[in-house]
Amino acid sequence: NAGVTQTPKFQVLKTGQSMTLQCAQDMNHEYMSWYRQDPGMGLRLIHYSVGAGITDQGEVPNGYNVSRSTTEDFPLRLLSAAPSQTSVYFCASSTQHGTQYFGPGTRLTVL
Amino acid sequence: QQQVKQSPQSLIVQKGGISIINCAYENTAFDYFPWYQQFPGKGPALLIAIRPDVSEKKEGRFTISFNKSAKQFSLHIMDSQPGDSATYFCAASMVTGTASKLTFGTGTRLQVTL
Repeated sequence: NAGVTQTPKFQVLKTGQSMTLQCAQDMNHEYMSWYRQDPGMGLRLIHYSVGAGITDQGEVPNGYNVSRSTTEDFPLRLLSAAPSQTSVYFCASSTQHGTQYFGPGTRLTVL
Repeated sequence: QQQVKQSPQSLIVQKGGISIINCAYENTAFDYFPWYQQFPGKGPALLIAIRPDVSEKKEGRFTISFNKSAKQFSLHIMDSQPGDSATYFCAASMVTGTASKLTFGTGTRLQVTL
């Protein structure tokens, strides 16, 4: 039981490049979410999903896309990376109203 | 607009001392208040949580005090240990539609010295 896994652990992009951050969970959780963590700002919700095929926007969704084709996977896409997207990204999963379990994070730098 | 305000930003406590971190919230629709602990290079992990129908919850050395009328809650770490050195986040959750969404405070970096 690996819990929540994220790949890659580190990534450097140039402005304008696109990429996908991967997130997977093996706990059969319905709810998955993406957060970004910036110094002095805590964790802010980007997008979330309440089940396969259902996604919704969080607090800071601009510049990011998500989809949920399976219960296990919830990738986050950066369409055209900007320096303002330099951050640490965390994926989390939970049962519908249960404890959120976080992955180890992806540290992204956009030059 | 910060819906959950956390203080202090950083805290240094001697081993054996009491660490106190405070949070305040605005939205009375919040119905669940967890605290997360995060070590460097790791994701946050649930430490302890409380619902607004109780004023205090204790788990080992960790206690949450909750004041519903003041819309404040705090984390107390008794007999603080160097292994408690981490960043602590308070959070508040409310049910919106079919999901519970967490709003986090800005975090407190705790250092416990020998």
